[in-house]
Amino acid sequence: QQQVKQSPQSLIVQKGGISIINCAYENTAFDYFPWYQQFPGKGPALLIAIRPDVSEKKEGRFTISFNKSAKQFSLHIMDSQPGDSATYFCAALSGGYNKLIFGAGTRLAVHP
Amino acid sequence: DTGVSQDPRHKITKRGQNVTFRCDPISEHNRLYWYRQTLGQGPEFLTYFQNEAQLEKSRLLSDRFSAERPKGSFSTLEIQRTEQGDSAMYLCASSLEGTGREKLFFGSGTQLSVL
Repeated sequence: QQQVKQSPQSLIVQKGGISIINCAYENTAFDYFPWYQQFPGKGPALLIAIRPDVSEKKEGRFTISFNKSAKQFSLHIMDSQPGDSATYFCAALSGGYNKLIFGAGTRLAVHP
Repeated sequence: DTGVSQDPRHKITKRGQNVTFRCDPISEHNRLYWYRQTLGQGPEFLTYFQNEAQLEKSRLLSDRFSAERPKGSFSTLEIQRTEQGDSAMYLCASSLEGTGREKLFFGSGTQLSVL
């Protein structure tokens, strides 16, 4: 079953706080796990991605933590800002091209 | 603007009508994808082109849906005899084939409302 489960559905964080979004997958053939950010009226944009051979990847305020044995990965947004308010999607990929399987999304609101 | 361009941005149609959407990918990208996104859900894969060849179609793509990419440039997605369940955001994305996992660039989508 190719499926990615994402939680929470929505998240409210105060400015400066840490936002944490979690995803879980079943298909062990997945070998690439990107996170996408989507603002209203726009298409998703790649934020950060990780491969299962590393446990953590950090780019600026965004960090992916990956637990291969648990088949779980999470996005951490440090020092969250109002401009981070958007919908975040985790995704997973296997195969030779970008046929992404997306989670249902997390709507993040960062309050000033 | 050198990103992925989609036209129209919004389309309202009556049930039973045919609609066609256009996608212009980033010029050097040889891979093109269509995804569908319904409210509160993540995008779902519909179909994939490598150059002009349509290499995969999702089971979500019923016989009423057809996509083309003549000459490996722009692509069109046509929905015949639209149904209310077709109401969704149709997203186009493109990427450049390369080593590893290339970056996928999405357009802003076409929002379809079937009345």
